[in-house]
Amino acid sequence: GNSVTQMEGPVTLSEEAFLTINCTYTATGYPSLFWYVQYPGEGLQLLLKATKADDKGSNKGFEATYRKETTSFHLEKGSVQVSDSAVYFCALKGGYQKVTFGTGTKLQVIP
Amino acid sequence: GAGVSQSPSNKVTEKGKDVELRCDPISGHTALYWYRQRLGQGLEFLIYFQGNSAPDKSGLPSDRFSAERTGESVSTLTIQRTQQEDSAVYLCASSLLTSEQYFGPGTRLTVT
Repeated sequence: GNSVTQMEGPVTLSEEAFLTINCTYTATGYPSLFWYVQYPGEGLQLLLKATKADDKGSNKGFEATYRKETTSFHLEKGSVQVSDSAVYFCALKGGYQKVTFGTGTKLQVIP
Repeated sequence: GAGVSQSPSNKVTEKGKDVELRCDPISGHTALYWYRQRLGQGLEFLIYFQGNSAPDKSGLPSDRFSAERTGESVSTLTIQRTQQEDSAVYLCASSLLTSEQYFGPGTRLTVT
């Protein structure tokens, strides 16, 4: 079946540092890939997505590129802010199958 | 348009009582999901509906948990004889068949 593996947290960074959260997946066919974010005390919301190989999803300064050759969808941001502190979930969806989520990575950005 | 809504937002119940949690998906979304999120934990998949059918119930933790969906719209998650370990936030999400999910705000269930 499908699976998503993402790096364990928590990740603690200073403001303006470079962020990478690794995500790799196992799936048949050509799934769509997503990053969701959950800010403290809030629900999950879609951060970005990519639907085919080599697509780059981007939003709010975050980027992730769909790499089929390495089955990866790493999340990056060049300069994090305190307001980026949240839990980030990588996810995939293959066709009509249910969405599969990673376990989440907590990011804490300190001033 | 309106997003996914869930009710109640908070529910406190005594151990052994039954509870019903409701999810109203975005209109036209054929897929509906239920998840459980314990404090500080990730998402635990419970059940997935396509239309009114549930092709995947593999995440329901015990036979005390059940869910139904009617009219390809509202869904109800029922927990019978609640236990303290059922305390969590229950999240509902909906989507078109092949697109991203939109999440509701969740129902925080506390079993005392």
